[in-house]
Amino acid sequence: KAGVTQTPRYLIKTRGQQVTLSCSPISGHRSVSWYQQTPGQGLQFLFEYFSETQRNKGNFPGRFSGRQFSNSRSEMNVSTLELGDSALYLCASSSLQGGPEAFFGQGTRLTVV
Amino acid sequence: DQQVKQNSPSLSVQEGRISILNCDYTNSMFDYFLWYKKYPAEGPTFLISISSIKDKNEDGRFTVFLNKSAKHLSLHIVPSQPGDSAVYFCAASVGPGDDKIIFGKGTRLHILP
Repeated sequence: KAGVTQTPRYLIKTRGQQVTLSCSPISGHRSVSWYQQTPGQGLQFLFEYFSETQRNKGNFPGRFSGRQFSNSRSEMNVSTLELGDSALYLCASSSLQGGPEAFFGQGTRLTVV
Repeated sequence: DQQVKQNSPSLSVQEGRISILNCDYTNSMFDYFLWYKKYPAEGPTFLISISSIKDKNEDGRFTVFLNKSAKHLSLHIVPSQPGDSAVYFCAASVGPGDDKIIFGKGTRLHILP
């Protein structure tokens, strides 16, 4: 079974630009969550999608948005990038039937310059 | 307001000895607790979990203890091995039906030869 796939692995963007990150969950998993990891802040929850609907949202500004497609693939978008958005963005998928354990992708390292 | 707290940013333990990683939480609604292990440049991997109806769960060298009255959990690794050197994240959710997993900031474990 293939794991969670995130693309791209690395990205460099300029302040003010926007970026779209992609996540393909484990086959059969319908829940996809996004997290931001920065030094000293651990993993901060961004949002969670299930069956194309956002079910949970963390405490991030509206510049951060996401969506989920009918095949459970998910995208995350950040508009008007700021230097502080530089982080590792992690996607996790889970199957509710198997418990709340989430399986993570390798992440997308975003650097804003 | 951090709902899951790992107060030790780092911990060094001699190989072969016991490693004890601690975690405190503030939300009494949390019903399910998880530990994740993260190596550099990789996504976190699920290690072990415990439901609030239990006070102990064991899986090989890893044991998680939960003290609900103290809102405290700990991960014991015994014996510690060099490959255990990683960042360990404590996480919690309100139950199997909720995929909003809240993470602590992590504890970096160094296993010394």
